[in-house]
Amino acid sequence: GAVVSQHPSRVICKSGTSVKIECRSLDFQATTMFWYRQFPKQSLMLMATSNEGSKATYEQGVEKDKFLINHASLTLSTLTVTSAHPEDSSFYICSASSGTGAYEQYFGPGTRLTVT
Amino acid sequence: GENVEQHPSTLSVQEGDSAVIKCTYSDSASNYFPWYKQELGKRPQLIIDIRSNVGEKKDQRIAVTLNKTAKHFSLHITETQPEDSAVYFCAARSYGNNRLAFGKGNQVVVIP
Repeated sequence: GAVVSQHPSRVICKSGTSVKIECRSLDFQATTMFWYRQFPKQSLMLMATSNEGSKATYEQGVEKDKFLINHASLTLSTLTVTSAHPEDSSFYICSASSGTGAYEQYFGPGTRLTVT
Repeated sequence: GENVEQHPSTLSVQEGDSAVIKCTYSDSASNYFPWYKQELGKRPQLIIDIRSNVGEKKDQRIAVTLNKTAKHFSLHITETQPEDSAVYFCAARSYGNNRLAFGKGNQVVVIP
C-alpha cells in the first residue's frame, strides 16, 4: 500500500516553456500533498504544501506564480513550472499523506527536469 | 520553525558492523520522527519512524531511539550489508503541523 506515482520521470524542455508534473496517490486518498525539489547531493527542500480543494501554501522564497500547484482531487496534484529557466533544472519530488491525523508521508519517484 | 541537524555527514562501515546516525531537533513540541533511505536517483523510502510517546522502535536490523529530554534521535543499523549503502535522511514534524523538517542527509557506505 501507500504507492505514489509521478509523471513524467524525466523531461527536457527549452528555456521559456512550461512543464507540468503530475503526482498521484494510487491506493489511498491523499488529502495533503507536498512538493519538494532536491539538488545533487543535497537535502529535500519543501516548496509548498497543498490540501485538496484549497490553495497551496508556499514556503518562503518560492514564487507561487512560477510554480503553480493544483490539488483538484484526493488522488492528484500537479506542479507546473512556468517559463522555465536553466536554474529551474532540478529533481522535483512529491509526497502524499492521507490526512492531518496521519503522520506518514510517502514519496513519488521524482521528476528530473532539465531546462536547456 | 523546526531545525534538524544530522551527523555525521558521511559514514563508512565494514560489512557486518553496525552503523549509527544521530539527529538533533530544536522544537520540543515535535512528535513524529521518520527516517528515509534514498538511493541515487530514486525516491526517499520510509524505513522506520517513531512517535514521541515511545522511546525505541525496532524492525529487524533497523532500530530508532528517541531521547526527548536531549531532543535527539538515532538510527541504528545492525549487521550492515552492501545494499544498506545509501543516503539516510532524518526528519521531524512539529505537533499541529503536517510539514516535515529534514536533516541534510548522511551518506552511508558499507564496505564489502
